[in-house]
Amino acid sequence: AQSVSQHNHHVILSEAASLELGCNYSYGGTVNLFWYVQYPGQHLQLLLKYFSGDPLVKGIKGFEAEFIKSKFSFNLRKPSVQWSDTAEYFCAVNKLGGSQGNLIFGKGTKLSVKP
Amino acid sequence: GAGVSQSPRYKVAKRGQDVALRCDPISGHVSLFWYQQALGQGPEFLTYFQNEAQLDKSGLPSDRFFAERPEGSVSTLKIQRTQQEDSAVYLCASSSSPTGRDTQYFGPGTRLTVL
Repeated sequence: AQSVSQHNHHVILSEAASLELGCNYSYGGTVNLFWYVQYPGQHLQLLLKYFSGDPLVKGIKGFEAEFIKSKFSFNLRKPSVQWSDTAEYFCAVNKLGGSQGNLIFGKGTKLSVKP
Repeated sequence: GAGVSQSPRYKVAKRGQDVALRCDPISGHVSLFWYQQALGQGPEFLTYFQNEAQLDKSGLPSDRFFAERPEGSVSTLKIQRTQQEDSAVYLCASSSSPTGRDTQYFGPGTRLTVL
């Protein structure tokens, strides 16, 4: 069955540190890839997405992600985190082909940024 | 606002009670998804509507779960004879894409607690 793995359950960083959150998926076909973020007390919102083209995609708030097809990975990065980045981050995929695009999510990574 | 809304935000039910959870998608969005998010997990797909047609209900965990979207806008997820394992956050998402493969916009969720 298709699955999404996020390697880190909880990451704690100090402000200005660099961030990389891992995401791997187990599906050999063509996929659309997403990172969603959930700030405390808020609902899931899209951070960035990859459908095709340049494998390095830029999202909101200075986040970027790189799609590496050979590694089935879509890691999220930010050069310098801020306290306001404290949130839970979810990687998700949907596969092309078939009639619809339900998202398959990883378990999420909680990011805590110390001021 | 113009986002996805869900009601109630919180629901406490005694085991064996029936519950109904409502989702108001973004106006004009064709695709509507329901997800279930257990504590410490990522959202998991339950069912998908394209307009009023329920095209996929493969994620519904049992025949106690039933969803409808009779006029292609508002959707209701009904759970009959609730069990403790039904305790979770139920998320609704909508998309303008007919297949739902583009960005899905999430509501705040309904947190269901079954005692």
